[in-house]
Amino acid sequence: EVQLVESGGGLVQPGGSLRLSCAASGFTFSGYWMTWVRQAPGKGLEWVANINQDGTQTYYVASVKGRFTVSKDHANNLLYLQMNSLRGEDTAVYFCARGGPGGLYFDSWGQGVLLTVSS
Amino acid sequence: DIQMTQFPSTLSASVGDRVNMTCRASQSVSTWLAWYQHKPGKAPKFLIYAASKLGGGVPSRFSGSGSGTEFTLTIDSLQSDDFATYYCQQYDSYMCTFGQGTKLEIK
Repeated sequence: EVQLVESGGGLVQPGGSLRLSCAASGFTFSGYWMTWVRQAPGKGLEWVANINQDGTQTYYVASVKGRFTVSKDHANNLLYLQMNSLRGEDTAVYFCARGGPGGLYFDSWGQGVLLTVSS
Repeated sequence: DIQMTQFPSTLSASVGDRVNMTCRASQSVSTWLAWYQHKPGKAPKFLIYAASKLGGGVPSRFSGSGSGTEFTLTIDSLQSDDFATYYCQQYDSYMCTFGQGTKLEIK
């Protein structure tokens, strides 16, 4: 059974940094694209970042490019999102998800982790 | 970037109804289109990929259609568990985008 479990969320001051983790199990982690999607309070889903199977290709939504970095640790089946220069508008529940075998749709999701950026 | 627009924003229906909701892309995405169901406090649930192909374990009352810029999600014989917010997502580009969602509520 595919399982994705996010961790690392919390309260951070504007301008601060935080790293989210997503522990993957039940599938061959190195064989899949992975993604981060977020949902701000009262808003819809927003795609944040994609990373390919071997971690050599990454893509970001414009609002986080240059501030966020997505990476994979294949030895430990972990997906990361390093977030720097955090802003209030980054406050959201962050979900990790697995890319599907036939394209960049997301066929398995974690439960999400809350990031609050506030002073 | 490809913009995705969903309508209506809110849809009221009753158990047993058949409902349609629409997703429109700002440029052609061929059939690189997925649908998800999302309930508050839960993980989004994958429903449909390639515009019309049902994900594993998804009930057959869900169906998708369309290509290019116009897509439809249809739910036949609504069940109480189906009341949720539905999102479309294009993956024609590595820079994915979601629609703003259609909230399906009980009439």
